[in-house]
Amino acid sequence: DTGVSQDPRHKITKRGQNVTFRCDPISEHNRLYWYRQTLGQGPEFLTYFQNEAQLEKSRLLSDRFSAERPKGSFSTLEIQRTEQGDSAMYLCASSLEGQPYEQYFGPGTRLTVT
Amino acid sequence: AQKITQTQPGMFVQEKEAVTLDCTYDTSDQSYGLFWYKQPSSGEMIFLIYQGSYDEQNATEGRYSLNFQKARKSANLVISASQLGDSAMYFCAMREVVKGGGADGLTFGKGTHLIIQP
Repeated sequence: DTGVSQDPRHKITKRGQNVTFRCDPISEHNRLYWYRQTLGQGPEFLTYFQNEAQLEKSRLLSDRFSAERPKGSFSTLEIQRTEQGDSAMYLCASSLEGQPYEQYFGPGTRLTVT
Repeated sequence: AQKITQTQPGMFVQEKEAVTLDCTYDTSDQSYGLFWYKQPSSGEMIFLIYQGSYDEQNATEGRYSLNFQKARKSANLVISASQLGDSAMYFCAMREVVKGGGADGLTFGKGTHLIIQP
């Protein structure tokens, strides 16, 4: 399978714990995006990388959130001191630089904070 | 103000009929891109079709076409000959070119839940 993969697919954690998600993009894609999707809403942009550089962060990305893409391949998204409001689907997407512009999404990680 | 507006929370359509999903957008940029994604109950976002703001012709991909009306700022998705497997959430999204170039994250609408009935 050469699509975008995410791990884990589901995560249940207690409030206050730290969690980390991983995303492996399509191998030749140099752009990687993180989104968050809550129930009944469309995805909301969090941050994006071009190669290993984090080029943009949404205001939704509070100080408790950090993302890395150390070697320009896979990326991790860490949430520290989780809150119940962090419960959502976290989606990763990747794309090529330039045309075509479409972003290809992974299956997502569903986070439940109890 | 919302940048992407999808006014149809849900739609029921008979199998084999054509269906139009509405999308209006708001931007002051001259260069932007419009996308439609399908999200089945499994949760994965599936890319359907893309329209660039400078493209003169409406985009088509198989049974999907995008009715792009730039002056009205609308980008409706048309699905011809609907099938049961088309039942899903459909999201319209926009990519704006940020200052200095580069790719911005997509801005999504709230989606339309399409149900195809046999």
